[in-house]
Parts: sequence; structure tokens; C-alpha cells
Amino acid sequence: DAGITQSPRHKVTETGTPVTLRCHQTENHRYMYWYRQDPGHGLRLIHYSYGVKDTDKGEVSDGYSVSRSKTEDFLLTLESATSSQTSVYFCATTLGRGEAFFGQGTRLTVV
Amino acid sequence: GENVEQHPSTLSVQEGDSAVIKCTYSDSASNYFPWYKQELGKRPQLIIDIRSNVGEKKDQRIAVTLNKTAKHFSLHITETQPEDSAVYFCAATDQGAQKLVFGQGTRLTINP
Repeated sequence: DAGITQSPRHKVTETGTPVTLRCHQTENHRYMYWYRQDPGHGLRLIHYSYGVKDTDKGEVSDGYSVSRSKTEDFLLTLESATSSQTSVYFCATTLGRGEAFFGQGTRLTVV
Repeated sequence: GENVEQHPSTLSVQEGDSAVIKCTYSDSASNYFPWYKQELGKRPQLIIDIRSNVGEKKDQRIAVTLNKTAKHFSLHITETQPEDSAVYFCAATDQGAQKLVFGQGTRLTINP
């Protein structure tokens, strides 16, 4: 597997608290993505990055923000977590010419 | 932006039979179409992909076809085996923006 690590792997948080998920890669891939996976909805793109400090919104970006201050790290922040953001979050990276590699996933529960 | 629709959402076939999963996309600029397999509790992994300059690609029991005019692409699995049971995702992206968008997924069950 490509060197993509997500942290934390599991998190339980309370409604209204901020949460940050981290994706770290050692592959020097230019493109990085955050998806959420929910039953019946597949993998929905939240935000993606096409370079350091270059990010764009996906289809379900409301309530989420991202930052990429260096190539290897892509952070996803839930400014004020809600129960609807309970999900499994996947980070992915690509060189931009083909295969995307996924992290192990983060299971987030908002209570 | 790109929208990818995938059907069916669930598919059950007898071991040894063939399975077909279909996807449509909306953005004519998309030119790369990968398929991913996700086993229970694991991360998605690429199984096959196709680019827009090719109509068909095959890798052992797996094949993918692309119809650019109709904006359709399909995954074909022949001689299905129990280990083919998983969730399969199609995706589309263009080589410029690299905005990788996935379909909703198909849960494939192979019955012995």
C-alpha cells in the first residue's frame, strides 16, 4: 500500500465541537482528496487539493474546511460537528495520471 | 460539475455466472474512468481503469467498456468467485482538474 496515513482512526465527539482529521502521505503525490462514505451514498467528495495551498470544493463541502500547508499533509476540519457528519472519512492521493490510493479511513461519531 | 450515476446498487449472482455494473457520467471533459473494489472494513483499491482513447480493456476475468458518445462505462466480471463479493465503485475524472468523482457503489454478492 502507498504511504497514506489517516489520524485518528476512530473518534467520538460531541455536537458543536471542532474536529480535525489528518491525512499524511509519503508519496509526494500532488493531488489529495477527502471523501465521506455513508450507506447508499458511496464515496462523496468533500474537498480536494491540487497543490500546496490550492484547494477546491467537492459536492458535500458545507460544514467542512481544509488546509494544505505542505505537500504531505491535508487536514479536514469540521468547524462545529453535527450528527449528520457522523461517517467514515477517507483520504486519497494521486499523482494525477491514474490510480488513487486511499488511507485506512477514520470512523467519526458525533453524539 | 461531474456527476456519476451507478447501477444497480445491489447485485446477487451465482458463482460462475457473470456480473455487470453500469455507470454514466455527465461531464464530456472526463477522460479517465477507474473502478475500485472495497472489501468489508477495508479501503477501496483499484482493480481496472480505462482512458477515453480506448473502448475496451480486459484483465483476466475483469473487463471494462467505454461508450464516450453515450457517456456510459461498464464493469464486466466473468466466472465469478466468492472472493469477488465486495462493494464496487466506478469513478470519473478529467486530466486537467483531477476532480475524482465516484458513483454510489454496487454491493456484489456471489452465491455459492
